Amino acid sequence: GAGVSQSPSNKVTEKGKDVELRCDPISGHTALYWYRQSLGQGLEFLIYFQGNSAPDKSGLPSDRFSAERTGGSVSTLTIQRTQQEDSAVYLCASSKRTGNYGYTFGSGTRLTVV
Amino acid sequence: AQSVTQLDSQVPVFEEAPVELRCNYSSSVSVYLFWYVQYPNQGLQLLLKYLSGSTLVKGINGFEAEFNKSQTSFHLRKPSVHISDTAEYFCAVSDRNNFNKFYFGSGTKLNVKP
Repeated sequence: GAGVSQSPSNKVTEKGKDVELRCDPISGHTALYWYRQSLGQGLEFLIYFQGNSAPDKSGLPSDRFSAERTGGSVSTLTIQRTQQEDSAVYLCASSKRTGNYGYTFGSGTRLTVV
Repeated sequence: AQSVTQLDSQVPVFEEAPVELRCNYSSSVSVYLFWYVQYPNQGLQLLLKYLSGSTLVKGINGFEAEFNKSQTSFHLRKPSVHISDTAEYFCAVSDRNNFNKFYFGSGTKLNVKP
């Protein structure tokens, strides 16, 4: 597609439920990144994919968080047993190659855990 | 790990006035430097980047930034702002040895008044 597409744009979920956030990168972009933007905070790195593999998962906050990427394209970030502190905007970005060329970001998914 | 400091959380300025948004990072090791802009309800857009070469980098919309290695700074400037520049601006840094992980500042909200 023309840009990085994320869905849903907004998600309200009850504490303890699982959620899936989807990212559809720009066609041909091999690198895909997930970041989290909490209120009043900068962006926090979560994970990145090169193709379908994730060389760096160091930013995932806990084992409740996981992500996968299939076909070198769409990625899903899954948060199990959501907690209120998971409330944030989850941003996906992609780039043609690794990140020194700068990312193209999606508009994000605003997750609210109530 | 890098840390990025944007000292000013909000900068109010009148239209056509000059502006400087400050960014300092923690390490003097070789880095790549970026500024992103986030307009209301939109994703982040790359404004400019420094990879190597001239320390003065020009970006879109008349913005420029200067890399100062001795002061570990990458301040963003514009000589004359417009109402349409109202947005949040994020500084980001990545290590040249691990350029797949970006470290972002907490953002500066630029509010241009008529």
